[in-house]
Amino acid sequence: GAGVSQSPRYKVTKRGQDVALRCDPISGHVSLYWYRQALGQGPEFLTYFNYEAQQDKSGLPNDRFSAERPEGSISTLTIQRTEQRDSAMYRCASSFSPSATIYFGEGSWLTVV
Amino acid sequence: SQQGEEDPQALSIQEGENATMNCSYKTSINNLQWYRQNSGRGLVHLILIRSNEREKHSGRLRVTLDTSKKSSSLLITASRAADTASYFCATDARLRGSTLGRLYFGRGTQLTVWP
Repeated sequence: GAGVSQSPRYKVTKRGQDVALRCDPISGHVSLYWYRQALGQGPEFLTYFNYEAQQDKSGLPNDRFSAERPEGSISTLTIQRTEQRDSAMYRCASSFSPSATIYFGEGSWLTVV
Repeated sequence: SQQGEEDPQALSIQEGENATMNCSYKTSINNLQWYRQNSGRGLVHLILIRSNEREKHSGRLRVTLDTSKKSSSLLITASRAADTASYFCATDARLRGSTLGRLYFGRGTQLTVWP
């Protein structure tokens, strides 16, 4: 597609529920990233894929967070047993290669009530 | 932790004036990127400058990089009300074991341009 596409754009969920956020990167982009951004802050790195391989997941806050990119294209970020502190904007980004310009999607706003 | 820090935190100017925002970082880098976040919350890439470059231009944007001082500046000339947004610098970190392409963002500079 023309840009990085994320869905849903807005998600309100009850505490304890699982959520799955989807990212469709720019076609042909090898690298895919997930970031989280709280209000008034810059994005913070969560995890990174090259093709289908998860290269770095050191930014995932705890084991309730996981991500996959099984076919090297679309990726899903899953948060299990959501907590209020998980409320934030979750941004996906992609780049043609690891050292190339990184393009961000519009983000998925998650609110845990 | 956030490696990049923007300065000032907020900047308010009149249309037509120039806006200068600064970014400082802590470790050696491969490149530095500037992004704009508008009121719709989209994060738009503005410009990338590599560590071996000192200055780069794109339209009304001018970016400088001083690796000896670990700092960068973004200049927007002849500002417009539509330039009102938050501006972030993002660095990768040339650290052993760091992920190539992993970006570290600051908290951003909120620019307001008054008509």
